[in-house]
Amino acid sequence: KAGVTQTPRYLIKTRGQQVTLSCSPISGHRSVSWYQQTPGQGLQFLFEYFSETQRNKGNFPGRFSGRQFSNSRSEMNVSTLELGDSALYLCASSLEGNYGRATGELFFGEGSRLTVL
Amino acid sequence: LAKTTQPISMDSYEGQEVNITCSHNNIATNDYITWYQQFPSQGPRFIIQGYKTKVTNEVASLFIPADRKSSTLSLPRVSLSDTAVYYCLVGDPDSWGKLQFGAGTQVVVTP
Repeated sequence: KAGVTQTPRYLIKTRGQQVTLSCSPISGHRSVSWYQQTPGQGLQFLFEYFSETQRNKGNFPGRFSGRQFSNSRSEMNVSTLELGDSALYLCASSLEGNYGRATGELFFGEGSRLTVL
Repeated sequence: LAKTTQPISMDSYEGQEVNITCSHNNIATNDYITWYQQFPSQGPRFIIQGYKTKVTNEVASLFIPADRKSSTLSLPRVSLSDTAVYYCLVGDPDSWGKLQFGAGTQVVVTP
């Protein structure tokens, strides 16, 4: 069974540009979450999507957005990039348990490492 | 989400048992305890989850006392490949889609 696939794995952008990252969850998983990891702030939750709807959102500015498609694939977009956006962006998928909730076991991809110059 | 406190780092030798204790004094009735492992430049990997008493799988054991205010992840007979950061998380099913990771415990295993 294929794991969570994230593309691209590495990318370099300059300040002011925008970037779109893609995540393909494990087949059958309908919940997709995004996280940002930096040395200074650690792993921080960005948002979660379930059945094409944003279900939870972390404390990030509006420059960070996402969406989920009908096949559960998800994309996140960061506009007007800042130097501080340099990070490893991780996507995770999970099966829903009772009442459509995530089951507590997240399957993470290897991440997309973004460098902003 | 209940706040968790765990040691910043732990050192061990190959073949030893490593026990990482996590404090979560404000754990709520509906909260579960989950542990993840992360290697550099990789996403975290689920290790184990429990609600009370003891849970064991092929990788680790999780000990949870009756008051549930702490929990201990036990890694038996560690090897060099167990060198990683270990995260303790506490939350209820409504929060599992938005996990809040703390700083974690850096475990270093040496020969």
